[in-house]
Amino acid sequence: QSALTQPRSVSGSPGQSVTISCTGTSSDVGGYNYVSWYQQHPGKAPKLMTYDVTKRPSGVPDRFSGSKSGNTASLTISGLQAEDEADYYCCSYAGSYSSVVFGGGTKLTVL
Amino acid sequence: EVQLVQSGAEVKKPGESLKISCKGSGYPFTSYRIGWVRQMPGKGLEWMGIIYPGDSDTRYSPSFEGQVTISADKSITTAYLQWSSLKASDTAMYYCARRKQDGYSFDYWGQGTLVTVSS
Repeated sequence: QSALTQPRSVSGSPGQSVTISCTGTSSDVGGYNYVSWYQQHPGKAPKLMTYDVTKRPSGVPDRFSGSKSGNTASLTISGLQAEDEADYYCCSYAGSYSSVVFGGGTKLTVL
Repeated sequence: EVQLVQSGAEVKKPGESLKISCKGSGYPFTSYRIGWVRQMPGKGLEWMGIIYPGDSDTRYSPSFEGQVTISADKSITTAYLQWSSLKASDTAMYYCARRKQDGYSFDYWGQGTLVTVSS
């Protein structure tokens, strides 16, 4: 299992929208609708932001939305706020033995 | 309130053994899988394995199979991650996380346990 591919960094100004991509293969991202995204602030545990590609847990702002096309999933954050500055990780079911695979992580900078 | 509370930071020498814990509360412990995730210093998240406390069914990432042991004691609603012989490369933050009943996402996370292995 190889890690999913994410850009190392993205940035945007307050109020703007940014999209973080997550590229896998037909054996993980492309094969199942089980992509989730996690936000991690420095020194903190990850937090679930979206799951099953497009669903959002209770309490997560609707500024966060997930999508998928083929082997690439995306997390879009609209109306950027300073507190959105964090690392973001995608994660996908990888089709065997309950296994999942994470992306390498993307650092979001709010300018 | 769902909580996963992990044991405290550890400093160990290479070759020593270690068992860290993750205590679940606020939900039916035996009905949800608990996964373990490694984060090496300055690096990303890596899935290590998962256990279903209801029947102790355990699955490992190929990268960690044979390197660690995952277990659970449902009588005290606690999951464990253990090493028999630590290496310096095991230095990392380790998180436990509860997997949602439907799907493969992790909805609640422990606060993390920092393991430092140094001679």
